[in-house]
Amino acid sequence: GQNIDQPTEMTATEGAIVQINCTYQTSGFNGLFWYQQHAGEAPTFLSYNVLDGLEEKGRFSSFLSRSKGYSYLLLKELQMKDSASYLCAVKDSNYQLIWGAGTKLIIKP
Amino acid sequence: GAVVSQHPSRVICKSGTSVKIECRSLDFQATTMFWYRQFPKQSLMLMATSNEGSKATYEQGVEKDKFLINHASLTLSTLTVTSAHPEDSSFYICSASGGKYGDSGELFFGEGSRLTVL
Repeated sequence: GQNIDQPTEMTATEGAIVQINCTYQTSGFNGLFWYQQHAGEAPTFLSYNVLDGLEEKGRFSSFLSRSKGYSYLLLKELQMKDSASYLCAVKDSNYQLIWGAGTKLIIKP
Repeated sequence: GAVVSQHPSRVICKSGTSVKIECRSLDFQATTMFWYRQFPKQSLMLMATSNEGSKATYEQGVEKDKFLINHASLTLSTLTVTSAHPEDSSFYICSASGGKYGDSGELFFGEGSRLTVL
């Protein structure tokens, strides 16, 4: 079967750095997405990785290793507004998006 | 990024009535639209995929006669929950892709619609 694993919940301190991991087992691979979702709102796009390596976008970076079926989202200089759920999603060989359950990130002052 | 608008954002209805939710791509042609349902503290569950001008493809376990999806144009898809019951209460979210964003496969989400069935 297809599976996306990410931690259920993480806690970090304002101003610090946090890394949210995602491992996947899917039938084929056509890209990995990270989305941010605040409670009661729709997800918003953060990043898209299709090749191995690190993609940096301001305070957020996303890394992909296709051989290991592994990605992480790195958030730097954490702010209180970063408290949200972070969803990892993989596009499989049929271009279907397989969603992880999301990681709830709690930021403490 | 692109803008996808979903309406209404909140709707409360009585059991047995039907509710229509609209999803519009405002600045690109959405060849494909997706409808998701999200229960509290759970991830997105894909309900169906619709391509403009074609019948929607429903995920296993989703009743096509209960959740009617229409994608009549490149900018509009609608989801109608027919004969709604309290267990249909959920957060429904649409997303769209296509047009100039087709190659990246990037999805743009609507704001979501919270349905409460009394």
